[in-house]
Amino acid sequence: RKEVEQDPGPFNVPEGATVAFNCTYSNSASQSFFWYRQDCRKEPKLLMSVYSSGNEDGRFTAQLNRASQYISLLIRDSKLSDSATYLCVVNRGISGNNDMRFGAGTRLTVKP
Amino acid sequence: DGGITQSPKYLFRKEGQNVTLSCEQNLNHDAMYWYRQDPGQGLRLIYYSQIVNDFQKGDIAEGYSVSREKKESFPLTVTSAQKNPTAFYLCASRDRGHSPLHFGNGTRLTVT
Repeated sequence: RKEVEQDPGPFNVPEGATVAFNCTYSNSASQSFFWYRQDCRKEPKLLMSVYSSGNEDGRFTAQLNRASQYISLLIRDSKLSDSATYLCVVNRGISGNNDMRFGAGTRLTVKP
Repeated sequence: DGGITQSPKYLFRKEGQNVTLSCEQNLNHDAMYWYRQDPGQGLRLIYYSQIVNDFQKGDIAEGYSVSREKKESFPLTVTSAQKNPTAFYLCASRDRGHSPLHFGNGTRLTVT
C-alpha cells in the first residue's frame, strides 16, 4: 500500500458544480497535511494547509479525519480556472524526520 | 523577493554523461528537497536535507547524488547510473514545524 493515496480521477465537472477529493495516508504519526494545485508543466503551488479543526478559504474547504487517516478537499461553485491536478502532501511525522510525501494527484477538468 | 531558483529550465544531455541541477533558496529554510515527476505521475522523493552537511535518501535515490555544503544550496547530480533520467525535476524547501513546501520552477532534463 502506498503511503499517500488519492482518487486517480479524472474528474470532469460542469461549471458551478461541487467536487470533493479524498486522500488517505498510512502513517498514523503524520502531523502535517497540505493540498497543492499543479497546472500542466508547472511546479505545484500551495492551495491550503489542512488543520485538525478543518479550514475554509473561499470556495475551498479542507478536512482532516485522523481516526480514518484521510484528508479531503471540497471545491464549491467550480470555475473553469479550477482545472488542474490536485496533490495531497503528508509529512511522515516520525520524530526528527522531515520527510514530505505526495499522492499521485487527482486531475480535475471543469467544463463550460 | 525571496524564493527558490532552479537552473537551467531545460537541459539536454547525452546518455552516459553526469549532469548537475542547481537549486538555490534565499528563504533561510533549513530543509530542502528534490523530487522527480514523470508525465502523468505524482512527485517522487529523491533526496532531502534537514540541515547543512546532512541529507537522507528518498524512495528513488539510486543513480542520484546530492550535497549540502551551504544552507542556501542543494545541487542534485544525475549520474550515468540512473537508467531513466529524462524527467521533470523539482526542488523545494520548507521552514521548521508544520510549514508547507515552497517549490522552484523546475528543470526539465532530457537525456538522449
